[in-house]
Amino acid sequence: DSGVTQTPKHLITATGQRVTLRCSPRSGDLSVYWYQQSLDQGLQFLIQYYNGEERAKGNILERFSAQQFPDLHSELNLSSLELGDSALYFCASSAAGMNTEAFFGQGTRLTVV
Amino acid sequence: ILNVEQSPQSLHVQEGDSTNFTCSFPSSNFYALHWYRWETAKSPEALFVMTLNGDEKKKGRISATLNTKEGYSYLYIKGSQPEDSATYLCAFSPNNAGNMLTFGGGTRLMVKP
Repeated sequence: DSGVTQTPKHLITATGQRVTLRCSPRSGDLSVYWYQQSLDQGLQFLIQYYNGEERAKGNILERFSAQQFPDLHSELNLSSLELGDSALYFCASSAAGMNTEAFFGQGTRLTVV
Repeated sequence: ILNVEQSPQSLHVQEGDSTNFTCSFPSSNFYALHWYRWETAKSPEALFVMTLNGDEKKKGRISATLNTKEGYSYLYIKGSQPEDSATYLCAFSPNNAGNMLTFGGGTRLMVKP
């Protein structure tokens, strides 16, 4: 158990809908990262938050947004969903500072039908 | 776009064999190189975080080396066991991107008893 909790584990929704994925980082970790793994693709970095502020942005679509709350949990909001958004979404957390290992949650499997 | 390549894509070995795989990454702007182990139906788990050229890290039968000048890292597994079967991911962190990780496609290792 990495200590990172993601909910829900599975989500099935229709095209055009909006969903929210939730992540609780390891106790004490200030950084939260979101990654997407689509079919036949590696882990793609979406966005990083550090202590409530956006720190780095990857290939995140404009339809997607995220935030980190004062209690350090994070939410990834996906709107106007398309079939191609079906993927495994991972959250990871790490301690403050650079060069620290990231601890991954179990992921949320999103299926858009 | 950062290019992180791993080879081979997959590898089948017999129990007891030693094996190694390669991760290639941009040699400029290097900050850190991470290795993760990802078992099916689980989340990626950190093995090593490497930052210095010539760094060597070891955890049990698994070790890794780093060459930042030429942009490669090797992961070695000595005396492979069936429980080593997993996908091994490397991830590159450039020095101007916080702790953002760009992952390679992974090497899928299968160890036959």
